[in-house]
Amino acid sequence: DQQVKQNSPSLSVQEGRISILNCDYTNSMFDYFLWYKKYPAEGPTFLISISSIKDKNEDGRFTVFLNKSAKHLSLHIVPSQPGDSAVYFCAALYTGNQFYFGTGTSLTVIP
Amino acid sequence: NAGVTQTPKFQVLKTGQSMTLQCAQDMNHNSMYWYRQDPGMGLRLIYYSASEGTTDKGEVPNGYNVSRLNKREFSLRLESAAPSQTSVYFCASSEYKGNQPQHFGDGTRLSIL
Repeated sequence: DQQVKQNSPSLSVQEGRISILNCDYTNSMFDYFLWYKKYPAEGPTFLISISSIKDKNEDGRFTVFLNKSAKHLSLHIVPSQPGDSAVYFCAALYTGNQFYFGTGTSLTVIP
Repeated sequence: NAGVTQTPKFQVLKTGQSMTLQCAQDMNHNSMYWYRQDPGMGLRLIYYSASEGTTDKGEVPNGYNVSRLNKREFSLRLESAAPSQTSVYFCASSEYKGNQPQHFGDGTRLSIL
């Protein structure tokens, strides 16, 4: 039973526009969330995180939003660049337990 | 700056064969993890080692064993490989187990015929 879901397997965006990647979770106990980026034949690399005590965290072009009441997490990339083309995974954890990962969204940024 | 190194990168096994996947990290991290990634599914935790000398089961431990050889190295063993274990295996590490990012290796692609 998937506790973390990414319902969009793929997303295409024009260069310079905003990319919005979404993630839903079912366990209200989750208190820490991350986004990872993965290129083919490489491991996931950490992108940005957010604690459940916040609703927004920014790092350069990347912003993560957390809506606890809706159990929804989103990653905004502005402006999108061709090098952002990758698979993005969200992950969630509750303290003392393990991370649960979504199935990933493949982002293509079109030049 | 190697980070997390996994060997081998690719392997083909026959059903019933055994194999050990190796993982080493050079970041002086305390915690290490083994995940598998299958099509249409997120990464799933097989086993983890919160600190040197300890190992615990994750979400999908059946058919696997692990050894935390020292602080740097954490191996995953398939004693009798089955086709259902065909997957991409990722090793990861973090300073501590908990609210912090994990650093991943580049994966081992394992096919079992």
